[in-house]
Amino acid sequence: DTAVSQTPKYLVTQMGNDKSIKCEQNLGHDTMYWYKQDSKKFLKIMFSYNNKELIINETVPNRFSPKSPDKAHLNLHINSLELGDSAVYFCASSQGGEKLFFGSGTQLSVL
Amino acid sequence: GESVGLHLPTLSVQEGDNSIINCAYSNSASDYFIWYKQESGKGPQFIIDIRSNMDKRQGQRVTVLLNKTVKHLSLQIAATQPGDSAVYFCADTTSGTYKYIFGTGTRLKVLA
Repeated sequence: DTAVSQTPKYLVTQMGNDKSIKCEQNLGHDTMYWYKQDSKKFLKIMFSYNNKELIINETVPNRFSPKSPDKAHLNLHINSLELGDSAVYFCASSQGGEKLFFGSGTQLSVL
Repeated sequence: GESVGLHLPTLSVQEGDNSIINCAYSNSASDYFIWYKQESGKGPQFIIDIRSNMDKRQGQRVTVLLNKTVKHLSLQIAATQPGDSAVYFCADTTSGTYKYIFGTGTRLKVLA
């Protein structure tokens, strides 16, 4: 069983569209995250939810809106996609802020 | 870790040799450190961690060294194998903040 699973694996879309990425973890962790990895492989935190409460909200454009319906799920909705949004987005989870377990990533390409 | 530089440093080693990957961090308050391995097309995978009350921790074929004085972390891989080829990241955090800072990453290439 995959511990942290995210869908879709690949997402190709036009500028201006709205898209969502979904994430689920079956580890029983209380905290989930979204990270963005750019073309230089740099990983940067975007958001974090602890027990469905937003605890980290980095300087991310408000076109990005995370939603956590329950502790096991964290989705990311992106409005009005821009070329610069092209990246790999990773979902991760942890228990109490300890070691992160990552999903396999969603490669977003905005054309 | 620090996001210094715009390119991904590469370390090339012969199969069977030992590898040492270095990382600098900037936050004096960081007290928990992790090394991750990322293979192509996959998410980062946990390798080993260390807390600030230790300066060395060993796993299977891997050792992490922590020097808090100079804010430096290293990962040693013994008898490097082709399967070790990947990008390696260090990450540091202050307990309770839930926020990890990732280093730039180092690409390890194992030569046959």
